[in-house]
Amino acid sequence: GAVVSQHPSRVICKSGTSVKIECRSLDFQATTMFWYRQFPKQSLMLMATSNEGSKATYEQGVEKDKFLINHASLTLSTLTVTSAHPEDSSFYICSASPGAVNEKLFFGSGTQLSVL
Amino acid sequence: AQSVTQPDIHITVSEGASLELRCNYSYGATPYLFWYVQSPGQGLQLLLKYFSGDTLVQGIKGFEAEFKRSQSSFNLRKPSVHWSDAAEYFCAVGAYTGRRALTFGSGTRLQVQP
Repeated sequence: GAVVSQHPSRVICKSGTSVKIECRSLDFQATTMFWYRQFPKQSLMLMATSNEGSKATYEQGVEKDKFLINHASLTLSTLTVTSAHPEDSSFYICSASPGAVNEKLFFGSGTQLSVL
Repeated sequence: AQSVTQPDIHITVSEGASLELRCNYSYGATPYLFWYVQSPGQGLQLLLKYFSGDTLVQGIKGFEAEFKRSQSSFNLRKPSVHWSDAAEYFCAVGAYTGRRALTFGSGTRLQVQP
């Protein structure tokens, strides 16, 4: 079945550095991918919708300049947390669908970001 | 705007007992409903989904859910819980068409007592 690969699964970085998280659709093309954020013991909150070849659409309250999203190809979207701070520590998950119908929607395994 | 409510933050059941996790949704059109399970530090695993047809949906690991339009509910059930079912469970609602994201409930943490 279709798989979405997310890398890295865990990253620890120093405050002020930038971290890039990759989300790849392994056997299908995804013109749209979604990025979610999950704080400990909380639900998943949509951060942004990543659109291939165009700018991402961010949810209200999400800083565009802090969370840079690039969807340069039909199989890859990246989320870069710039100038990371401890409050950015969270679990980040991406999802993608192979078609226009959300009946088939796949999630990555997530990335645990810890900022020291 | 669409929303999902999971009234129970935390549920504890004994192994072998039956389980029902509640989910209520609010959505302006025909909803597309999901149940996911998440183990600590892991991604999401899809248990089952409903779009149309039979309102009783069978999923993996012995789970089932029933869509009740009149109650705007999509409760998850399992007749006999196993210790390995202990995890966080999320109900989600989304649109069938259009590349739109899902809206998740706040989750229910399931503990299983031996």
